[in-house]
Amino acid sequence: EVQLVQSGAEVKKPGESLKISCKGSGYSFTSYWIGWVRQMPGKGLEWMGIIYPGDSDTRYSPSFQGQVTISADKSISTAYLQWSSLKASDTAMYYCAISRGGWVFDYWGQGTLVTVSS
Amino acid sequence: QSVLTQPPSVSGAPGQRVTISCTGSSSNIGAGYDVHWYQQLPGTAPKLLIYGNSNRPSGVPDRFSGSKSGTSASLAITGLQAEDEADYYCQSYDSSLSGPGVVFGGGTKLTVL
Repeated sequence: EVQLVQSGAEVKKPGESLKISCKGSGYSFTSYWIGWVRQMPGKGLEWMGIIYPGDSDTRYSPSFQGQVTISADKSISTAYLQWSSLKASDTAMYYCAISRGGWVFDYWGQGTLVTVSS
Repeated sequence: QSVLTQPPSVSGAPGQRVTISCTGSSSNIGAGYDVHWYQQLPGTAPKLLIYGNSNRPSGVPDRFSGSKSGTSASLAITGLQAEDEADYYCQSYDSSLSGPGVVFGGGTKLTVL
């Protein structure tokens, strides 16, 4: 069974750094792309970027380029999304999801809620 | 503003048929890229509902169907049930020179009356 298990909710202050994770199981981790999607409170889905763990090829949405870093550690089947300096506007639910091809997200993680507040 | 345009809300009575539109442009749907649909029940992660314009993953009832024509796509739900009340999102790929990548519609809230 394909599973994506994300790290738990985070509460941070503006300016702090953060790295959240997404662990894949039940499939070949290095063979499929893993994307990250933001959902701000009460809003829609926004694609942030995507990584191919097999060779770490990474693509970013222009809206998020330079704002976040996407990485993966294939030795532990885990993808990451990180910020170096959080802002209040980063408060959102973040989902990871795998794409087995055709830019479709077949399976989703349960989401990680990030709250940034002073 | 989302690259793909969906109506903010639709509604229907149990048993009825509703459709949700997804309008794009020549750099995404019109360029031949597939459209996919996701269902997000309240408080849960999105779930793939339709892929490749009209294909249903295993376990998705055949009450859900998708189609694509030109620069638009549609999701149809027949025999509406209370459990279908959710947000629905279309998604495709955009080849815009300003930044190719995955694009989502703004989402449509389905209310079952």
